[in-house]
Amino acid sequence: GQQVMQIPQYQHVQEGEDFTTYCNSSTTLSNIQWYKQRPGGHPVFLIQLVKSGEVKKQKRLTFQFGEAKKNSSLHITATQTTDVGTYFCAGPQGGSEKLVFGKGTKLTVNP
Amino acid sequence: NAGVTQTPKFQVLKTGQSMTLQCAQDMNHNSMYWYRQDPGMGLRLIYYSASEGTTDKGEVPNGYNVSRLNKREFSLRLESAAPSQTSVYFCASSSGTVQYEQYFGPGTRLTVT
Repeated sequence: GQQVMQIPQYQHVQEGEDFTTYCNSSTTLSNIQWYKQRPGGHPVFLIQLVKSGEVKKQKRLTFQFGEAKKNSSLHITATQTTDVGTYFCAGPQGGSEKLVFGKGTKLTVNP
Repeated sequence: NAGVTQTPKFQVLKTGQSMTLQCAQDMNHNSMYWYRQDPGMGLRLIYYSASEGTTDKGEVPNGYNVSRLNKREFSLRLESAAPSQTSVYFCASSSGTVQYEQYFGPGTRLTVT
């Protein structure tokens, strides 16, 4: 079945350093979504990318969707302690109504 | 506007006991989902409902049943709990299916001993 892989699984950075997480799908995606889950919390939607090569920014966060629509990345510039959490990507499973989530990248930030 | 609510927040069961996890949303969403989250495994879909009156299996449906009681409510039932079902359970809803963002509830932390 379709797989959505995320790397790295864990990332520890010093406050102020940049951070990037990568998401790769075994199949072409119609769209990709990103979620953030704070420790002890629930996933919260961040953004959706739909177009090939699309780049979207939210303050210090930059999201990219690959040209082939099989990969995506999230880059955080100058991390802050408020960025701590697990970041998940998710893509539709084939032509179904189901989203497949990656296993997430857990980010910790040392102040 | 409460969004997605789940009850209970915590539950401890003994092996073989049954229970129902409740979920409700007040956003008039068509689609609702049940996920389980285990350490290192991400979010895995148990069941979903694309509209009132319909349900379908996700990746890990064994040992669970669901009921879409009405447009607002989607419950998850464990008929005979097993230690392997110890997990955090999240309910989510969305306007439609895969092209729409999902809104998650606060979760139920279930331990089966």
